[in-house]
Amino acid sequence: AQTVTQSQPEMSVQEAETVTLSCTYDTSENNYYLFWYKQPPSRQMILVIRQEAYKQQNATENRFSVNFQKAAKSFSLKISDSQLGDTAMYFCAFMKPYGGNQFYFGTGTSLTVIP
Amino acid sequence: NAGVTQTPKFRVLKTGQSMTLLCAQDMNHEYMYWYRQDPGMGLRLIHYSVGEGTTAKGEVPDGYNVSRLKKQNFLLGLESAAPSQTSVYFCASSLNRGPQPQHFGDGTRLSIL
Repeated sequence: AQTVTQSQPEMSVQEAETVTLSCTYDTSENNYYLFWYKQPPSRQMILVIRQEAYKQQNATENRFSVNFQKAAKSFSLKISDSQLGDTAMYFCAFMKPYGGNQFYFGTGTSLTVIP
Repeated sequence: NAGVTQTPKFRVLKTGQSMTLLCAQDMNHEYMYWYRQDPGMGLRLIHYSVGEGTTAKGEVPDGYNVSRLKKQNFLLGLESAAPSQTSVYFCASSLNRGPQPQHFGDGTRLSIL
């Protein structure tokens, strides 16, 4: 079974600063995918960024980037130039690309951006 | 473009009552999922479907049943609601090709008294 661990239940960051959210996972799979989702107070689940395990290059989407360390089974999310709209719960997710593409989610990190 | 639509958005039930949550997607996705979200526990998979007429158990299937009679719809049923099933329920769908993200509905808040 796959497990995803987010060890930071809550974090805060000053507006315009940079923050890193951590995520580790445990799997015996070699081919898999990793995702970060954002859940603002509106409760919507919004895709932030994704990473293919076979790619060594870290994914980047505008102010969001990841640090993917496959050997360490670590997948952290860096948010640069934090904005008030980044305040949300952030979930790390692991997906194995077969058997229904099941997702395994971490317990989430609640991020507050302080003006 | 509606995406994934969940009905209803809120519901209060008494213990022992039954109800069905409806999920509809208009993206022609093959895969559909039901999750529950509880404080401090993230999202946990209840059941999923890889196509019309097929369903499979996820991590926490007990007390729930599902059906996928049409490709665009995925129903989640509670036959005899229990207070432990008080939660926010999310439906999601995805394509079956490559590393496709799941697209989520807005959730249903269900309270069992």
